[in-house]
Amino acid sequence: KAGVTQTPRYLIKTRGQQVTLSCSPISGHRSVSWYQQTPGQGLQFLFEYFSETQRNKGNFPGRFSGRQFSNSRSEMNVSTLELGDSALYLCASTRGGSNTGELFFGEGSRLTVL
Amino acid sequence: AQRVTQPEKLLSVFKGAPVELKCNYSYSGSPELFWYVQYSRQRLQLLLRHISRESIKGFTADLNKGETSFHLKKPFAQEEDSAMYYCALSHDSNYQLIWGAGTKLIIKP
Repeated sequence: KAGVTQTPRYLIKTRGQQVTLSCSPISGHRSVSWYQQTPGQGLQFLFEYFSETQRNKGNFPGRFSGRQFSNSRSEMNVSTLELGDSALYLCASTRGGSNTGELFFGEGSRLTVL
Repeated sequence: AQRVTQPEKLLSVFKGAPVELKCNYSYSGSPELFWYVQYSRQRLQLLLRHISRESIKGFTADLNKGETSFHLKKPFAQEEDSAMYYCALSHDSNYQLIWGAGTKLIIKP
């Protein structure tokens, strides 16, 4: 079956702009998590959605937001971009009924902020 | 507070040598621990979990509750083992994993 799909794969923005990233989970998966990955900070948890509700949120400013649709697809938005937002943004999905710990990751969206 | 510590950011060993990637955790309950791996230009993926007690690609990891460790080991490293390795902890009260900072493993020929 198809894996987790993230779009766009690469994008370049300038400071002050906003960006929306999309994630389509594996069919049947209802939980979607978002992570920011940078060489210096490693994997940082952004938020997790299950059945259109945000269940968990990491320690990121309010400029980072997300949502999940009824078909489990998820989007994350970053407003007023800063240089430090340059990173690989990873989406992961899991069935979500309980925390089994096995996340299925997408290839990521690489954001460069100039 | 729950925490996962991977003390080595970078580990470099020669092909054929033993490998041990360290992971220590801080958790008051009964944790479930995982190792994830990210090969160059590939997705982050689950390597193994402690409850499975299995060997994947020659790697094993044993949960030591006394030392609160879950070190990843392989007796003879191969060049294809070069990758980024993350240790992660799961607990029932929260639906998110707690991640270590990751260890970059380089296997030298």
